[in-house]
Amino acid sequence: SAVISQKPSRDICQRGTSLTIQCQVDSQVTMMFWYRQQPGQSLTLIATANQGSEATYESGFVIDKFPISRPNLTFSTLTVSNMSPEDSSIYLCSVDTSPVNNEQFFGPGTRLTVL
Amino acid sequence: GENVEQHPSTLSVQEGDSAVIKCTYSDSASNYFPWYKQELGKGPQLIIDIRSNVGEKKDQRIAVTLNKTAKHFSLHITETQPEDSAVYFCAATLIYNQGGKLIFGQGTELSVKP
Repeated sequence: SAVISQKPSRDICQRGTSLTIQCQVDSQVTMMFWYRQQPGQSLTLIATANQGSEATYESGFVIDKFPISRPNLTFSTLTVSNMSPEDSSIYLCSVDTSPVNNEQFFGPGTRLTVL
Repeated sequence: GENVEQHPSTLSVQEGDSAVIKCTYSDSASNYFPWYKQELGKGPQLIIDIRSNVGEKKDQRIAVTLNKTAKHFSLHITETQPEDSAVYFCAATLIYNQGGKLIFGQGTELSVKP
């Protein structure tokens, strides 16, 4: 497994502002992912964070709204831009620690409330 | 694309009883099926997984079964304890190259009553 930390753990933001969420892993990993979990709902993949290249976004998610950076194999950021109350969710990063086992481990999440 | 259906949405059992959660998937090419446990205020925790080349896997009180023909898989928890209370998610994916996109079920809120 891997030890994954996220910052901030929670935040309350005003509509129209942006928030950058950080994800740090204690070891180098090949794959990093960002998920959204709306209140009381399941997890939905936002994008795959690719090291050294642009992130791969899922249908319904765009780079202008959710820009992602991945400068190295242990760190990634997700920005939620121009926020609205509908963006209130838990944002989770996950990592795939082994190209052999393909097991994904999740961070603790960032709980975002937009007023 | 893949779609995963999970049932039931809520499950209440008495301590010591067994709990079973079922999932069905749509893409017959999917070959990896993990289960996650999410406690309140925490991220999902991988508790067990199964790959398409086996039909059953056990780890102490938890087990997962896979029926590829029917495209469904189930989580079995025996001798339930209050600390098993959480939301459980199944997922499915096609593993290729260096990873795959997990498609999650809707979740099951398990309550174990002492």
